[in-house]
Amino acid sequence: DSGVTQTPKHLITATGQRVTLRCSPRSGDLSVYWYQQSLDQGLQFLIQYYNGEERAKGNILERFSAQQFPDLHSELNLSSLELGDSALYFCASSVASGDGYTFGSGTRLTVV
Amino acid sequence: TQLLEQSPQFLSIQEGENLTVYCNSSSVFSSLQWYRQEPGEGPVLLVTVVTGGEVKKLKRLTFQFGDARKDSSLHITAAQPGDTGLYLCAGGHDYKLSFGAGTTVTVRA
Repeated sequence: DSGVTQTPKHLITATGQRVTLRCSPRSGDLSVYWYQQSLDQGLQFLIQYYNGEERAKGNILERFSAQQFPDLHSELNLSSLELGDSALYFCASSVASGDGYTFGSGTRLTVV
Repeated sequence: TQLLEQSPQFLSIQEGENLTVYCNSSSVFSSLQWYRQEPGEGPVLLVTVVTGGEVKKLKRLTFQFGDARKDSSLHITAAQPGDTGLYLCAGGHDYKLSFGAGTTVTVRA
């Protein structure tokens, strides 16, 4: 157990639907990062939050959004889902930017 | 285009052999990290290097950061089947970590 909790572990949904992925960071970590991993793209950075504020944005589609709540847990919302959104979505946390990341076990999203 | 290029993409060796994985970039990084990922799991941090020319050893693993902080290598001595996995390098800049595509290492018993 890495200390970063992601739910659900698996998600199967239809095209056009909306889903929410949840992440609880390791205790004491203020930064939360979301990554998408697919076979052809590798690990792609989506977005970072630090203590509730958005800190950096990567290749995140407009159909995707995220937030970090006062208790530091984070949610990634994916809407108008397409087949190409099928991937592993990882959350990671760290004490501060530049520190090593602790990753969760990921959510495997399958869009059918 | 990947900011960090890793080579080789795949590596299959016999138990007891040595291996080296390379990570190269045209960008300078404030830090560089190596992770190992097993199927169905998230990447696990192995090491962070921050100083150009730095060498860190972790049991049979040796990590080196290039003098110009643009490249790194991971050397495994006397590889074991438990070393099998996807090895990822990641460079830190602008509050985010960019990952290479990874090297899939298979160690045969």
